[in-house]
Amino acid sequence: AIRMTQSPSSFSASTGDRVTITCRASQGISSYLAWYQQKPGKAPKLLIYAASTLQSGVPSRFSGSGSGTDFTLTISCLQSEDFATYYCQQYYSYRLTFGGGTKVEIK
Amino acid sequence: EVQLVESGGGLVQPGGSLRLSCAASGFTFSSYSMNWVRQAPGKGLEWVSYISSSSSTIYYADSVKGRFTISRDNAKNSLYLQMNSLRAEDTAVYYCARGGSGSSWGQGTLVTVSS
Repeated sequence: AIRMTQSPSSFSASTGDRVTITCRASQGISSYLAWYQQKPGKAPKLLIYAASTLQSGVPSRFSGSGSGTDFTLTISCLQSEDFATYYCQQYYSYRLTFGGGTKVEIK
Repeated sequence: EVQLVESGGGLVQPGGSLRLSCAASGFTFSSYSMNWVRQAPGKGLEWVSYISSSSSTIYYADSVKGRFTISRDNAKNSLYLQMNSLRAEDTAVYYCARGGSGSSWGQGTLVTVSS
């Protein structure tokens, strides 16, 4: 199975900060990578697919980059509604795998 | 509007069975592969099973292989997960998700395996 490693696992930030979350795949996955946001008690919400394509309706402060094995999710100006847990997920293989998650907390 | 609605969760004893359903609407269900993904309490996301649009290709996570069966009925716009020989470690919220990139998810249904 393809392993997805996210870092950091959690961190504190302030509204207005620029934040970056990284995700590394154990093998090359081209651009078959998605990023999700999840809030407590809610289903994950797709933010980005194909590594860098913004899902319809997602604010432009979210962006994704990378290909192969190394990927990043950037939030350019953190808003109060962005405090949540973020997951990366590869779909290069039908056997989907997820990163362990990054919890973004209020400083 | 794309909508996925799971049902069928509940409390079951170890060794018991449950059948989850996922009702799809707002899109051409028969054109999309589907997945079941679960999330144990306080834990991350874990893929459970995949089914192609025509049901011709099916995959399972090693943790559920031989115990769970995924199926779909394109005429009824529905996805299913038959879960047998349930264990405590199967306790989780189960989500159905559309396609590999998970463009839509249901709200989830909680399965609790406990005596």
